[in-house]
Amino acid sequence: EVQLVESGGGLVQPGGSLRLSCVASGFTFSDYEMTWVRQTPGKGLEWVSYISSGDNDIYYADSVKGRFTISRDNAKSSLFLQMNSLRAEDTAIYYCARRFEYWGQGTLVTVSS
Amino acid sequence: DIVMTQTPLSSPVTLGQPASISCRSSQSLVHSDGSAYLTWLHQRPGQPPRLLIYKISNRFPGVPDRFSGSGAGTDFTLKISRVEAEDVGVYYCMQTTQFPFTFGPGTKVDIK
Repeated sequence: EVQLVESGGGLVQPGGSLRLSCVASGFTFSDYEMTWVRQTPGKGLEWVSYISSGDNDIYYADSVKGRFTISRDNAKSSLFLQMNSLRAEDTAIYYCARRFEYWGQGTLVTVSS
Repeated sequence: DIVMTQTPLSSPVTLGQPASISCRSSQSLVHSDGSAYLTWLHQRPGQPPRLLIYKISNRFPGVPDRFSGSGAGTDFTLKISRVEAEDVGVYYCMQTTQFPFTFGPGTKVDIK
């Protein structure tokens, strides 16, 4: 069974940093591209970042470019999102997804003073 | 960026009756490989989204056959042949033809 479990969310002050993790199981992690998607509470979905299976190709939404860094550790079946210079508008539930086929339950990031 | 729009934004439906959601993209979703990467997702309250349809009309394994997708170019449709209670929630179309990937605003489906 494919499982994706995010962690690392929490309350952080504006300008602060957080590192999200997503641990995958039930499939060969290194074979799949992965993405991060966020959802503002009560609002729609916003794609955040993409990383190819071998991390050769990486893309970001303009809203996070230069502040967020996606990475992966295929040996540990893990996906990461380093978030720096956080803003109030980054407050959201962050989901990791395998090709949008499978999604984790999400981790809530709240940016507030 | 490709802008995705959906109509209606809200759809009260009757159990057992059909339902339809339209999605339009601001430019063609045909990729250079010839495929159109239009995806439909369903999100129930308090749950993550789940994949229903990919590449316009392909049902993801486990998705009931009452769900079907159609369309081409810039106009796409998701149809539910007979709505069941578990179908309530928000439906999103999204494109993964080009970066940045973009989502429609969502269509909320509830029971009349």
